[in-house]
Amino acid sequence: LAKTTQPISMDSYEGQEVNITCSHNNIATNDYITWYQQFPSQGPRFIIQGYKTKVTNEVASLFIPADRKSSTLSLPRVSLSDTAVYYCLVGDSIVNTGFQKLVFGTGTRLLVSP
Amino acid sequence: EAGVAQSPRYKIIEKRQSVAFWCNPISGHATLYWYQQILGQGPKLLIQFQNNGVVDDSQLPKDRFSAERLKGVDSTLKIQPAKLEDSAVYLCASSLPGTGRSTEAFFGQGTRLTVV
Repeated sequence: LAKTTQPISMDSYEGQEVNITCSHNNIATNDYITWYQQFPSQGPRFIIQGYKTKVTNEVASLFIPADRKSSTLSLPRVSLSDTAVYYCLVGDSIVNTGFQKLVFGTGTRLLVSP
Repeated sequence: EAGVAQSPRYKIIEKRQSVAFWCNPISGHATLYWYQQILGQGPKLLIQFQNNGVVDDSQLPKDRFSAERLKGVDSTLKIQPAKLEDSAVYLCASSLPGTGRSTEAFFGQGTRLTVV
């Protein structure tokens, strides 16, 4: 059973704001929500992480409603170089260890056009 | 700060041959992950180490794949014998100790394996 659901792909134009929404209906109380970005021929790169409300860094903003069953990654004024796959992850606890796995879904393929 | 180092970057082998990948994580990172990424798919976690102990290998095909992390630093992933469907990029990642619920990991550039 997938822990997160995201759109398969999105298209945008340079200078626009892009919002990618992720559903995680079964998120556990203590789980964080994390987003990664992956360019072709590179490993994923951590973008942002949050637990509730809003988190902002130099790259993106992450909006998390009170029920935490979804989250939205917001990329302000995208450029061609933001074309990538974006993955939403939530915690996946490893039984009897106290640790979490990093489990990736299929992600959202964002294409930014001129 | 040096990133996660992986080698080789590319490898082409014939089916039924053996292959090994090497990973050097970021200094001080206790958690090390190996992923397999088939073209067009998200990374699939194969094995996760905490120091030199395995905390999860539920998705590792143990009949042909093996991994070790001696002394809790470098790690090697081996495939023996390789099949055509093993063609993929193999990614290594590491993260700090005591991350608990935090999931910020740093990835290497990966090794692209082609099995012919």
